[in-house]
Amino acid sequence: GQGVEQPAKLMSVEGTFARVNCTYSTSGFNGLSWYQQREGQAPVFLSYVVLDGLKDSGHFSTFLSRSNGYSYLLLTELQIKDSASYLCAVRDDTNTGKLTFGDGTVLTVKP
Amino acid sequence: ETAVFQTPNYHVTQVGNEVSFNCKQTLGHDTMYWYKQDSKKLLKIMFSYNNKQLIVNETVPRRFSPQSSDKAHLNLRIKSVEPEDSAVYLCASSSRDWGGYEQYFGPGTRLTVL
Repeated sequence: GQGVEQPAKLMSVEGTFARVNCTYSTSGFNGLSWYQQREGQAPVFLSYVVLDGLKDSGHFSTFLSRSNGYSYLLLTELQIKDSASYLCAVRDDTNTGKLTFGDGTVLTVKP
Repeated sequence: ETAVFQTPNYHVTQVGNEVSFNCKQTLGHDTMYWYKQDSKKLLKIMFSYNNKQLIVNETVPRRFSPQSSDKAHLNLRIKSVEPEDSAVYLCASSSRDWGGYEQYFGPGTRLTVL
């Protein structure tokens, strides 16, 4: 099965950066997705990674190390509106598209 | 712009009643999902359909039964609800081309069981 772990909370300051960590243990791995969920709203897809290394998508960047079972989501030039829960989701190696989500990290961006 | 629609938005019911939730997507996707998000915000897959065929059936109580009439519609019925069924039920869809990585979620149905 899949186990996906994330820290519960993270705090940072407007204009700086935040790194949301995710570790996973899997019986089969075929990529990892990141989602943003604001309070009372549905999750919104941000990015996915399949290969090792850093994937730069501007405001959001993602990193993956498959050998270490580790990924992070990097948010730069933080704005107050980036305050939200960030969910890491691991895709297994079947054709079902099934994602196993972590518990989410609640990011609070302070002025 | 909403492309995954869910009804109802909220539902309050008593223990033992039956409830049904509906989901429709207008994205032309092949795969649809039901997730349960509990009070601690943990998001867990329940079922998934690909072109009306059930492809993911997680370990959920037998009182939960999904149904799909076509690839754009997915329903969820709960017979005889229990207090632990109180949660937000999220429907999502994805394109086969994206392999499930990018899923589009509906606004959810919040179920409260008294």
